[in-house]
This record gives sequence, structure tokens and C-alpha cells, in this order.
Amino acid sequence: GQNIDQPTEMTATEGAIVQINCTYQTSGFNGLFWYQQHAGEAPTFLSYNVLDGLEEKGRFSSFLSRSKGYSYLLLKELQMKDSASYLCATGNTPLVFGKGTRLSVIA
Amino acid sequence: ETGVTQSPTHLIKTRGQQVTLRCSSQSGHNTVSWYQQALGQGPQFIFQYYREEENGRGNFPPRFSGLQFPNYSSELNVNALELDDSALYLCASSLDPTGTDTQYFGPGTRLTVL
Repeated sequence: GQNIDQPTEMTATEGAIVQINCTYQTSGFNGLFWYQQHAGEAPTFLSYNVLDGLEEKGRFSSFLSRSKGYSYLLLKELQMKDSASYLCATGNTPLVFGKGTRLSVIA
Repeated sequence: ETGVTQSPTHLIKTRGQQVTLRCSSQSGHNTVSWYQQALGQGPQFIFQYYREEENGRGNFPPRFSGLQFPNYSSELNVNALELDDSALYLCASSLDPTGTDTQYFGPGTRLTVL
């Protein structure tokens, strides 16, 4: 079976840095995806990690440790528009999503 | 390049009715996956179509069925609607059916069953 855990909610201040953690247990592993989903909208792709380490893409970075079954998404210089749910998903067929972490950015 | 589109955007049905949701995949993509997303939850996999054949199915009853057409667009049909079917239905297209290929989501269809 597959199990993915993420915190339900997080709050952070505009301009700050926030780290959203994701732990997973999966039979077979083909990498880990992060998606952003604004309320009432479709998920949009943020990152994909298949090898251990940190991948940086502008203000967003994603880290993977396969041996620990652990990933995190790091958001820097937070902006109000970053308020959204962040979903991690194991890159198997099919994608298995966590429940998402709802991030609120406050002034 | 045209992204993934879905229709309709919103739909209200009553228990026992049937519904058809439609999805046009992104140009060049031959794989379409359908997901159900209840409020406050992550998307749950319903099934995937690859080159007009079903290529995997999640834990959904047979009253959830689908089709993929030669142009790779797809339909999701739900019979005998139940209140718990109220959700956002998302389709996602990708270049191939492997889990390593990024899936791009459409805007979703919000289904309300009364």
C-alpha cells in the first residue's frame, strides 16, 4: 500500500521562508511531485524529484531523501499569492496524492 | 500550445441521475487520468486511459466508467449518482502513462449531487 503524510495547515508571514514536509511509504518509487493548488482551481506542477538532494527553481526548492521516505518543499520570500494548498504525490502509476497542506501567508 | 480543458465547469444533479464530464488533453499528450477531489482532500485516482484503452483503475465502483477517443480527448461517466459523488473532478494529461511523466491538470468540473 501507499501512505503519504503532510501537515494539514501552516501559517507564515509575507517575506519569510516556510518548509512543508512530506513523508511517504510506497511499494515501488518513481520520484516525488509537488503541486500547488489555489482554492477552487486545478493543481499546477511545481517540481519533480527522483534523485536525492535539493532542486532549486526560483523561490521554490524541493528536497528528497529516498532512504528516509521524506521530501520537503521550501518557499522563500513568501508572497500573499503563495497562499494555497501544496500537494505532494508519489510518482507511481497512478499518482498517489497526500491530503495537501493549506498554507496561509499573512502580512 | 493548448492546455487541458474540461467541460462543464459546474454541474448540479440529483441522486440517481447520470452525468458525463469531458476533457480535452494537452496537444501531443496521449494519456488522460481522471481524479476525484473531495473538499479538503487530495485528488483520488479514478482511472487512466492510454491510446483509447483503460490503463489502470483506482478503488471506484463500476458505475464510474470512461472513454478515450482517437484525438485523445476523454469522457468520465457516472451512473446512479450518490450524494458522496459531490466533488471536484479533475482530468490530467501526460505524454505517456508512466508515473515519471508530469501530469498537467485541467480546471476541473465541480459536481454537486442533491
